[in-house]
Amino acid sequence: DQQVKQNSPSLSVQEGRISILNCDYTNSMFDYFLWYKKYPAEGPTFLISISSIKDKNEDGRFTVFLNKSAKHLSLHIVPSQPGDSAVYFCAASGRDDKIIFGKGTRLHILP
Amino acid sequence: DTEVTQTPKHLVMGMTNKKSLKCEQHMGHRAMYWYKQKAKKPPELMFVYSYEKLSINESVPSRFSPECPNSSLLNLHLHALQPEDSALYLCASSQVLWTADTQYFGPGTRLTVL
Repeated sequence: DQQVKQNSPSLSVQEGRISILNCDYTNSMFDYFLWYKKYPAEGPTFLISISSIKDKNEDGRFTVFLNKSAKHLSLHIVPSQPGDSAVYFCAASGRDDKIIFGKGTRLHILP
Repeated sequence: DTEVTQTPKHLVMGMTNKKSLKCEQHMGHRAMYWYKQKAKKPPELMFVYSYEKLSINESVPSRFSPECPNSSLLNLHLHALQPEDSALYLCASSQVLWTADTQYFGPGTRLTVL
């Protein structure tokens, strides 16, 4: 049973518009959530995180929103740029610090 | 079967012990990866195998020795580890090396070195 789900395998967004990547989780014990970005030929790199005590965290063009009651988080990228084309992984961890990854969403930024 | 499995889930070992971590996938993926992850930090790439051959070794100390006996199995042999090697060890796989598609992660092995 997948504890972290990214239901959209891929997403295409026009350059300059907003990209919204979604993630759902099932384990209510998760208290820390992360987004990773992965380019081809590289390992995943950390992008942004959010603690369960917050509902929003912003870093430049990237904002993560957490809705604990819905067990849902989303990553907003605005404005989207060509260099944002990559695979984005949602991940969650609980008290044991074990990180559970989603299967990723491939984001294409269209010119 | 769309899972990457890792055993054991937890491992406690002394600095003189020899142990092995095991990773398995039956998705037909031909690239497999070992990552080391400290608490609340991003995973650090250690080794990459492509078609059962070691493709990348990210300057990992020789006390970590990877092995890929077949296309479904990836091992990490541990010997003479240090306490600072305590971490979560993640295995991942993908269809071929560094595809732009998803990389499937296992649940990890929590390693504690005493």
